[in-house]
Amino acid sequence: EVQLLESGGGLVQPGGSLRLSCAASGFTFSTSAMAWVRQAPGKGLEWVSGISGSGGTTHYADSVKGRFTISRDNSKNTLDLQMNSLRAEDTAVYYCAKDMAGILPEQFDYWGQGTLVTVSS
Amino acid sequence: QSALTQPASVSGSPGQSITISCTGTSSDVGGYNSVSWYQQHPGKAPKLMIHDVRNRPSGVSNRFSGSKSGNTASLTISGLQAEDEAEYYCSSYTSGSTLVVFGGGTKLTVL
Repeated sequence: EVQLLESGGGLVQPGGSLRLSCAASGFTFSTSAMAWVRQAPGKGLEWVSGISGSGGTTHYADSVKGRFTISRDNSKNTLDLQMNSLRAEDTAVYYCAKDMAGILPEQFDYWGQGTLVTVSS
Repeated sequence: QSALTQPASVSGSPGQSITISCTGTSSDVGGYNSVSWYQQHPGKAPKLMIHDVRNRPSGVSNRFSGSKSGNTASLTISGLQAEDEAEYYCSSYTSGSTLVVFGGGTKLTVL
């Protein structure tokens, strides 16, 4: 059974940093592209960042480029998102998602339950 | 403003069919077949319903179907059931600076 379990969310002040993690199991993690997708309270889905199975290729939304860094550890089956210079508009539930084809992180067949990040003073 | 345009809401009675549209540009929906549809119930994670424009993942009811014409993709749900009431999002690969764009979401109400 595929499982994706996010952690690391919480309350952080504007300008602060937070690191999210996603523990994956039930599939061959190293061959699966992965992504982070967020959802602000009461709003729609927003693709944030994606990474290839090897970790050699990363992609970012314009809204987070230069502030967020996606990474993965295929030996531990974990996906991370380092978030720096956080802003109020980064407040959202952050989902870890698995790409279904494993090549580009663009279509997601499994999602975690999400972790809430709140940026507020 | 979302990159893909969806109607804010649609409704239908049990047993009826409804269609949700998703309009983009030639840089996303019109140019690629990596169009997906997701269902999201309140407080839950999204669920993949359609991928690659018209393909259903294993376990998804055949009442759900997808299509595309030009820059507009569509999700059709036939034989509406109460449990279909949810938010629906389309997404597409894009050749823009962001790899993936989502629609703003459509609230489906089953009357």
